[in-house]
This record gives sequence, C-alpha cells and structure tokens, in this order.
Amino acid sequence: DAGVIQSPRHEVTEMGQEVTLRCKPISGHNSLFWYRQTMMRGLELLIYFNNNVPIDDSGMPEDRFSAKMPNASFSTLKIQPSEPRDSAVYFCASSSGRTSYSYEQYFGPGTRLTVT
Amino acid sequence: EDKVVQSPLSLVVHEGDTVTLNCSYEVTNFRSLLWYKQEKKAPTFLFMLTSSGIEKKSGRLSSILDKKELSSILNITATQTGDSAIYLCAVDYGSSNTGKLIFGQGTTLQVKP
Repeated sequence: DAGVIQSPRHEVTEMGQEVTLRCKPISGHNSLFWYRQTMMRGLELLIYFNNNVPIDDSGMPEDRFSAKMPNASFSTLKIQPSEPRDSAVYFCASSSGRTSYSYEQYFGPGTRLTVT
Repeated sequence: EDKVVQSPLSLVVHEGDTVTLNCSYEVTNFRSLLWYKQEKKAPTFLFMLTSSGIEKKSGRLSSILDKKELSSILNITATQTGDSAIYLCAVDYGSSNTGKLIFGQGTTLQVKP
C-alpha cells in the first residue's frame, strides 16, 4: 500500500487566498483525521471522520476552516480566506479500527503551508 | 480539560546512553496510550499501551503504562544518532470508539556521536 497520500507537499500563498489541502487515506481504513502542527501548539486534532461522516470538528479553529470527505478515498481541508497565522504543517492520518481498542493512526507526509 | 504532558521537553545525550522519556495524562474515558517517533516528516507509530504493567518492547525501545499514576515511560537503551527525533505521546480518549487522540508537546531527543 502507498500509505496516506497528501497533496500538495508545500503550499505558499498570500493572505486572503483560498487554500485546499487534499488527502487520500489508506484503502480500507474507515477513520480519517486532520491535524495541524506548529512549534507553539504542537500537534492538534482539527477534525475527524468515521465512515465519511464528520464526528468531531471541535478542533477546527474558526469558520474559515472547513473539511469534507465525499467518499472513502478522498478528503479535503479548505481554508478561506487564509491568514499568516494559519502557517503550519497539516497532517492527514487514517486508521482501520480493526483492533478491539484504539486504532493505530498512519500519518501522511504532511503539507507545509506558508501564508504570507 | 483533557491534557497530555511530556517531560523533558528536550534532551541531549551521547551515543550509548540510556534515556527515559515521560508522559502523564489527564483525560476523560482513557482508552489507550500511544508513542510516536517523528523525524523530519510524519509521526511513525512505536507502541500502543492499554494495560498497566505490561512492557512493550521493540529492539532497544521499550515502554510501560501505569494507569494508577496516569503515566507512561519510554526507554531507549544504547542510544544511536539515528534515535534523534521528536518523541510524541498521545492518548486515545472519549466516548466514541473512533480513536480520537490528544498529543503531548513532544520530547526532542538529540543523540550526539
């Protein structure tokens, strides 16, 4: 399996522009997670989906952020309009839920977003 | 407020040393504790711990959970320069069985030759 795939790997944009980050989870995984990592705040969960349904979006910082999962193999995280404080590395992770307890999450390579 | 705290935040050792990284947590409905290693890219999974007192081991790395003390330690023996990374502790918590994780701030380990 190719693992979790994210695109783009790097994104530089100007303040006010719309940014769309993309994620393809591992085939067969039924949970998908979007994280943001910064030096100040570490790794923070933004939103997660189970069977394509958003379960908890309490980590989404504000209305400028939105996420969708139209099918089991694709998800997007959109920021509109973007601001310099959104600069971070955004990770997508997926898990299979096959174990009886918690589920090991597999992380994608991340998208490094810079908003100028 | 649910939280995971790691210590120390950073550590510098020499090759061959043994290190112990700490993780403590305060969460509702604890399900498990996970350790990840992050080098320059994405976090990679090391261990998942669900039961107290049972050591998980992989090569020179080992970890154990203490539910009474709400903590876990990660030990690395005979450290190598390739062990230099950020080590993240995460706790799976919450009422739904979907693997929602809260991460600690990480311990940055530097192993010098």
